[in-house]
Amino acid sequence: GQNIDQPTEMTATEGAIVQINCTYQTSGFNGLFWYQQHAGEAPTFLSYNVLDGLEEKGRFSSFLSRSKGYSYLLLKELQMKDSASYLCAVLDSNYQLIWGAGTKLIIKP
Amino acid sequence: GAVVSQHPSWVICKSGTSVKIECRSLDFQATTMFWYRQFPKQSLMLMATSNEGSKATYEQGVEKDKFLINHASLTLSTLTVTSAHPEDSSFYICSARDGGQGYEKLFFGSGTQLSVL
Repeated sequence: GQNIDQPTEMTATEGAIVQINCTYQTSGFNGLFWYQQHAGEAPTFLSYNVLDGLEEKGRFSSFLSRSKGYSYLLLKELQMKDSASYLCAVLDSNYQLIWGAGTKLIIKP
Repeated sequence: GAVVSQHPSWVICKSGTSVKIECRSLDFQATTMFWYRQFPKQSLMLMATSNEGSKATYEQGVEKDKFLINHASLTLSTLTVTSAHPEDSSFYICSARDGGQGYEKLFFGSGTQLSVL
């Protein structure tokens, strides 16, 4: 079966750095997405990785290792508004998005 | 960026009534639209994939006669929850793929919170 694992919840301090991990086992791979979702709102796109390596976009970076079935989202200089759920999703060989359950990130002052 | 408009944002209805949710791509042609359901503290669950001009493909366990999907044009898909019951109360979200872009170009509507009394 297809499976995506990410931690259920993480806590970090304002101004710090946090890394949210995602491991996956899917039938084929056509890219991995990270989305941010605030409570009661739709997800918003953060990043897309299809090749190995690190993609940096401002305070957020996303890393992919296809051989390990592993990705992480790195958030720097955390702000209170970063408190949200972060969803990892993989596009499989049929171009279907397989979603992780999401990681709830709690930022403390 | 591209915009997907979803209406209504919030619906409260009596048990047994039907509710229609609209999803529109405002500045691109959406060859494929996806409908998701999300229960509190859970991730998105794909309900169905709809392609313009053809029947929707439903995920296992999703009743196609209860959740009617129509994708009559390249900019509009509708989800109708027929004879809604309290267990159908959930957050429904649509997303649309810009047919002119790669698969990474997936845009979400703002979601519809359905509460069935």
